Amino acid sequence: EAGVAQSPRYKIIEKRQSVAFWCNPISGHATLYWYQQILGQGPKLLIQFQNNGVVDDSQLPKDRFSAERLKGVDSTLKIQPAKLEDSAVYLCASSLEYRGFNYGYTFGSGTRLTVV
Amino acid sequence: AQSVTQLDSHVSVSEGTPVLLRCNYSSSYSPSLFWYVQHPNKGLQLLLKYTSAATLVKGINGFEAEFKKSETSFHLTKPSAHMSDAAEYFCVVTSDDKIIFGKGTRLHILP
Repeated sequence: EAGVAQSPRYKIIEKRQSVAFWCNPISGHATLYWYQQILGQGPKLLIQFQNNGVVDDSQLPKDRFSAERLKGVDSTLKIQPAKLEDSAVYLCASSLEYRGFNYGYTFGSGTRLTVV
Repeated sequence: AQSVTQLDSHVSVSEGTPVLLRCNYSSSYSPSLFWYVQHPNKGLQLLLKYTSAATLVKGINGFEAEFKKSETSFHLTKPSAHMSDAAEYFCVVTSDDKIIFGKGTRLHILP
């Protein structure tokens, strides 16, 4: 079974530039998450999708971050403009929902963003 | 190589009794360790974290965990379970840019 695919693997940009990350979840997984993991910390949930609808985006800095999942499959996360503190690994995860719980939680390899 | 093993896929306790969720890890470097909780229809929520300071870590909602290097364990405990504790719990180890999630433990609270 193919895992959660993310690209690019690494990205280096200057502050105030824009960047986009892409995620393709496991086939059939209705729930998709984007997490931000700053070095030395655990992952922080940025946004959760159920199919193409947003379930939770309470910790997404909406002045600069945006995410979409137009067809309920793959998703993009964008930062515009980037700040130095956005340097982190951006993880995408997907899961299958059953009776209110999520199973088969699978994480992608992540995109390491460095803002200089 | 790093790994995380959550020893029980399901744990059932009665309300008001202690909770113990077990986690063992292996890591080549000094790891950071975390416990996350996932309630139905929600994303992961951080319960507590260990980052090489005090070995007994207190988290939210009365949970705590003790880092035992000699046993490579980071078990999660709570003195008295509440119905709202019913959820999925994940033990996580990170080192540099690697993050490893355990497979999760489903906690059931019996009335």
